[in-house]
Amino acid sequence: AQSVTQLGSHVSVSEGALVLLRCNYSSSVPPYLFWYVQYPNQGLQLLLKYTSAATLVKGINGFEAEFKKSETSFHLTKPSAHMSDAAEYFCAVSDKRGYQKVTFGTGTKLQVIP
Amino acid sequence: DTAVSQTPKYLVTQMGNDKSIKCEQNLGHDTMYWYKQDSKKFLKIMFSYNNKELIINETVPNRFSPKSPDKAHLNLHINSLELGDSAVYFCASSQGSQPNTEAFFGQGTRLTVV
Repeated sequence: AQSVTQLGSHVSVSEGALVLLRCNYSSSVPPYLFWYVQYPNQGLQLLLKYTSAATLVKGINGFEAEFKKSETSFHLTKPSAHMSDAAEYFCAVSDKRGYQKVTFGTGTKLQVIP
Repeated sequence: DTAVSQTPKYLVTQMGNDKSIKCEQNLGHDTMYWYKQDSKKFLKIMFSYNNKELIINETVPNRFSPKSPDKAHLNLHINSLELGDSAVYFCASSQGSQPNTEAFFGQGTRLTVV
């Protein structure tokens, strides 16, 4: 069964600094991968997804992620953090077979320091 | 206009009670889900319906019973509530049930069992 591991439950960056949130996946075949964001007291919102079309995926709000098969990674980055980026970020994986059944990571809380 | 709406937003109830959470989506999607997010923010799928048909039924106690009267609604009924049922329950929907589809989440229902 596929799974994802998010390294670091809390990440703090200064406003304007690079954001790097790490995600490693485990799957017997390259899966579909997602990043979702959860703002306080809200549901999850899709940032971006990897569906094997291109290894560098661009999402909303200036975020992007690169799929690296050799490293089984799908790290999320943003060149310059904004205060509004403070939220919980979830990496998720879905097997390419069968129905949509996403397995989420345990989340990384991003704090942006002014 | 809220795309995926859940009611109630907060629910506090005593052990042993029966309660329901309602979910409605106005996106015209044909697939709906229930997820449970525990106190450690771990998010796990419980059920999925496609065109009112149950397609995913994870290992969930029989006390939890989903009902989909039509494609736009997916309700969750919980019998004999236990302390361990305390969590945030998210409803979500997607167009299609393929593994790479984006899920749209409601704002969640915070259930507290006392």
